[in-house]
Amino acid sequence: EIVLTQSPGTLSLSPGERATLSCRASQSVGSSYLAWYQQKAGQAPRLLIYGASSRATGIPDRFTGSGSGTDFTLTISRLEPEDFALYYCQQYRYSPYTFGQGTKLEIK
Amino acid sequence: QMQLVQSGAEVKKTGSSVKVSCKASGSTFTYRYLHWVRQAPGQALEWMGWITPFNGNTNYAQKFQDRVTITRDRSMSTAYMELSSLRSEDTAIYYCASEALGRGDMDVWGQGTTVTVSS
Repeated sequence: EIVLTQSPGTLSLSPGERATLSCRASQSVGSSYLAWYQQKAGQAPRLLIYGASSRATGIPDRFTGSGSGTDFTLTISRLEPEDFALYYCQQYRYSPYTFGQGTKLEIK
Repeated sequence: QMQLVQSGAEVKKTGSSVKVSCKASGSTFTYRYLHWVRQAPGQALEWMGWITPFNGNTNYAQKFQDRVTITRDRSMSTAYMELSSLRSEDTAIYYCASEALGRGDMDVWGQGTTVTVSS
């Protein structure tokens, strides 16, 4: 089973700042099998990024995904108030399709 | 755009089973893999398995292999997840999610079903 380790566990930033979230896989998942999801309290997850770097429909261009192999990054260029939430990475290269433990992005 | 609507909250006794439904509307149900993901209170997302509505093929996480059954009714555009031998650790929100055609990621999610297990 591929283990995804997200860092940091909690990221405290202010609106307008840049956020960088990391996801590291225990073995290579290639360049096309990594997704990022955003989850707000009491809501289902929402797909942000698929294929490591493609934005899902309706996702603002301040969200950028990058990386390949074992190291992936989600960057939010200028934080908006609605961006403060939980973020999960997920690999779907191998079954079981595993998720990271999440990064909480909170207002500083 | 596909939408997924799940059945309502359940309260179950330890050792019993629960069956959660997930009804699709607005798009083609048949050809999009349908996944089940759960989230225990304050915990991360956990993938349980998927079904291909077209032919009913399934793939389960080994952790749940002995206790989970995912089925579908194509005529009703509905998928089901049944979890047996419930224990307190199964208390969680259970989500169904549809896989984007040909991609593997989950681009449409149900609203979630809360399952509470107690003795």
